[in-house]
Amino acid sequence: AQKVTQAQTEISVVEKEDVTLDCVYETRDTTYYLFWYKQPPSGELVFLIRRNSFDEQNEISGRYSWNFQKSTSSFNFTITASQVVDSAVYFCALSPRTNAGGTSYGKLTFGQGTILTVHP
Amino acid sequence: EPEVTQTPSHQVTQMGQEVILRCVPISNHLYFYWYRQILGQKVEFLVSFYNNEISEKSEIFDDQFSVERPDGSNFTLKIRSTKLEDSAMYFCASRGGQAVVYGYTFGSGTRLTVV
Repeated sequence: AQKVTQAQTEISVVEKEDVTLDCVYETRDTTYYLFWYKQPPSGELVFLIRRNSFDEQNEISGRYSWNFQKSTSSFNFTITASQVVDSAVYFCALSPRTNAGGTSYGKLTFGQGTILTVHP
Repeated sequence: EPEVTQTPSHQVTQMGQEVILRCVPISNHLYFYWYRQILGQKVEFLVSFYNNEISEKSEIFDDQFSVERPDGSNFTLKIRSTKLEDSAMYFCASRGGQAVVYGYTFGSGTRLTVV
């Protein structure tokens, strides 16, 4: 069984502060994918980043960066110089490797979400 | 950029009625999914669909629910005899293939309100 835990229910920051969203996961799969999604007040799910379990290289993409540590089963997401428009619910999600004809068809397991509020 | 289209964006129905939520996945995608999000809660997997049949379903997806891909383009979720607790946002998603490059594309959701 897969499980994703986002311990931070709500985070409040002032614009231009950096903010890190924590994500811890559990899985028995040796190959899996990790995702971060943003859900603004309008309700849609916006894809942010995807990482493979076999690639622990951390990257920066604009104001976003992520820290994947397989040893601690964590996949944390950082927004640098936060802006008011970053205010949203952020979800971490986990998917097994799709194995058509086998046992997995790539369903996503989401965490509970972290509500991020960025104040001007 | 290709999109997953969901209609309607908002549907209100009376308890006990049947509803059909519609989705048009990206045309060359192979895997199709429905997810549900009760207000203020996390997004939950309902069902996956591959090769014209259900490939995986959650415990939420009981006999009240069914999915269909009637014409090779639409992907529908039918909820029979709706209950108040079925009120939620329903997201459709599709995926191109097995490889990691084929990420999920979500639709913008249908907000179902059962009164």
